[in-house]
Amino acid sequence: SAVISQKPSRDICQRGTSLTIQCQVDSQVTMMFWYRQQPGQSLTLIATANQGSEATYESGFVIDKFPISRPNLTFSTLTVSNMSPEDSSIYLCSCQGESKNIQYFGAGTRLSVL
Amino acid sequence: GDSVTQMEGPVTLSEEAFLTINCTYTATGYPSLFWYVQYPGEGLQLLLKATKADDKGSNKGFEATYRKETTSFHLEKGSVQVSDSAVYFCALSEYDMRFGAGTRLTVKP
Repeated sequence: SAVISQKPSRDICQRGTSLTIQCQVDSQVTMMFWYRQQPGQSLTLIATANQGSEATYESGFVIDKFPISRPNLTFSTLTVSNMSPEDSSIYLCSCQGESKNIQYFGAGTRLSVL
Repeated sequence: GDSVTQMEGPVTLSEEAFLTINCTYTATGYPSLFWYVQYPGEGLQLLLKATKADDKGSNKGFEATYRKETTSFHLEKGSVQVSDSAVYFCALSEYDMRFGAGTRLTVKP
């Protein structure tokens, strides 16, 4: 299994600002993922991040709003840009395990936008 | 496309009661199936998995059997504890990972 450290664990931000969430894995992994979990809802995939290439975004999510970096095989960041109250959610990163069907998750970032 | 349908919650049980959370899936091929648990204020933890038909995943007293004939992967536990209170997500992975809506379980002493 993989252990993922995600930070910050929570933040309260003002409208119009940006927040960068960091995700560190304790081993090298090929694929990392970013999800959004709106209050009381299931997980929605934002994008898939492979090292050395542009992230692949799901329908409804765009790079200008959610830029992602993946500088190496153990680290990724997600930025939530120009935030509005509708961006208040839990943001989760995950990585693919050695068994490619499994994903392991970080503890999540609880974001509130005022 | 692939999808997961999960029993709606919330579910409230007394300690030591029997738990079943239903999960059915739709897939074009042969997905792997998972149950994840999310404790209050935390991320998702893998609870158990099954990778092929008739496999039984088990962990911490929870069990689920991959039933291809009924396309189901129901989660069961014989005697729940207060510490099992959490949100449970059924998920499948074939080409990507798809999650069910989640079922919130509250266990009362």
